[in-house]
Amino acid sequence: GQSLEQPSEVTAVEGAIVQINCTYQTSGFYGLSWYQQHDGGAPTFLSYNALDGLEETGRFSSFLSRSDSYGYLLLQELQMKDSASYFCAVPGAGNMLTFGGGTRLMVKP
Amino acid sequence: GAGVSQTPSNKVTEKGKYVELRCDPISGHTALYWYRQSLGQGPEFLIYFQGTGAADDSGLPNDRFFAVRPEGSVSTLKIQRTERGDSAVYLCASSPSGGAATDTQYFGPGTRLTVL
Repeated sequence: GQSLEQPSEVTAVEGAIVQINCTYQTSGFYGLSWYQQHDGGAPTFLSYNALDGLEETGRFSSFLSRSDSYGYLLLQELQMKDSASYFCAVPGAGNMLTFGGGTRLMVKP
Repeated sequence: GAGVSQTPSNKVTEKGKYVELRCDPISGHTALYWYRQSLGQGPEFLIYFQGTGAADDSGLPNDRFFAVRPEGSVSTLKIQRTERGDSAVYLCASSPSGGAATDTQYFGPGTRLTVL
């Protein structure tokens, strides 16, 4: 089976940097994805790491360490609109995703 | 272009009734996925289609749940004899091919099902 653990909630102030961690246990590993979901909205893809290291996309970066079964999402220059839930996920055979429980990020002014 | 659409956006039904939830994937996407999301939790995989066939239905919770994709485009998730525990948001996602882990899944806004 597959399981992913991430903190349930994180709070940060506008303009700050926040890191959301994710640890996983999988039978077979293809990579780690991150999705953002605003309340009542659809999950939207943010990033995917197949190899160790840091991937940067604008204000968002994602890191993976396969040896530690660990990854994180880094959000810089936080904006109010970044308040949302963030999910790490691993694809299985056929690419169906197993999601973590989600981290609710609250950005305060 | 249009994204993934799902209808209805909300569905309220009574325990024991039958419901159908529809998903229109992005045009040309061969892979289609159904997930179920309970409040405060991550989406859980239900079923995956590659073209017209169900490639993996291991996430369907029991035989009351069934899904079809007869022409390889639109998909319908069918739930018989609904139970209060079926209440959740049902999400549909599509991806261009589904064969690679790098294939991004694009999600629809979901159908919020409430079973009274």
